[in-house]
Amino acid sequence: GAVVSQHPSRVICKSGTSVKIECRSLDFQATTMFWYRQFPKQSLMLMATSNEGSKATYEQGVEKDKFLINHASLTLSTLTVTSAHPEDSSFYICSARVPAGGRDTQYFGPGTRLTVL
Amino acid sequence: DAKTTQPPSMDCAEGRAANLPCNHSTISGNEYVYWYRQIHSQGPQYIIHGLKNNETNEMASLIITEDRKSSTLILPHATLRDTAVYYCIVRGGDMRFGAGTRLTVKP
Repeated sequence: GAVVSQHPSRVICKSGTSVKIECRSLDFQATTMFWYRQFPKQSLMLMATSNEGSKATYEQGVEKDKFLINHASLTLSTLTVTSAHPEDSSFYICSARVPAGGRDTQYFGPGTRLTVL
Repeated sequence: DAKTTQPPSMDCAEGRAANLPCNHSTISGNEYVYWYRQIHSQGPQYIIHGLKNNETNEMASLIITEDRKSSTLILPHATLRDTAVYYCIVRGGDMRFGAGTRLTVKP
């Protein structure tokens, strides 16, 4: 299957700082990428859809000014958590869509664990 | 996207087949059934997907009922490494996750 990477895998930061997470599709081009968040013992929650060359679409309740998404190329999307606070501590996971005419599939990155002190 | 219902947990003996059910009674004609699994602290792993025909790959088999209102994921010879949360997703657009089934494979 297609490979999606994330960097960093783990980050610890102080409250009030900003953190950038990178998501790359390694062996395919992805016009659409997705960002999810997962709290302990919960399922993945879709945060936003990232389209190459255009603004991201955010899910209801997700602050677009706090979670900045950039999808400047067909292989890279970034999520920046601005002015992070302890409640933003979570497991952030990206995915990339491989189009296949209705049978398209999403492949997920390994996730980034963010801890805000 | 149609809603799915899965049992919260299941156990399976190592080496035996694991059969994970999923109900999706409101599925519409153009929605595919996808299965992913998530091993602890990792990103979800794609397993298989199908529309109406049964599908098989190196990881699993997917059996979809004729009316498409339910499906079963079959891991033919479960190993301890198959212990994970398995998600059944019916998708016409974005991939949205429910609670899934926590499968525990026991020695």
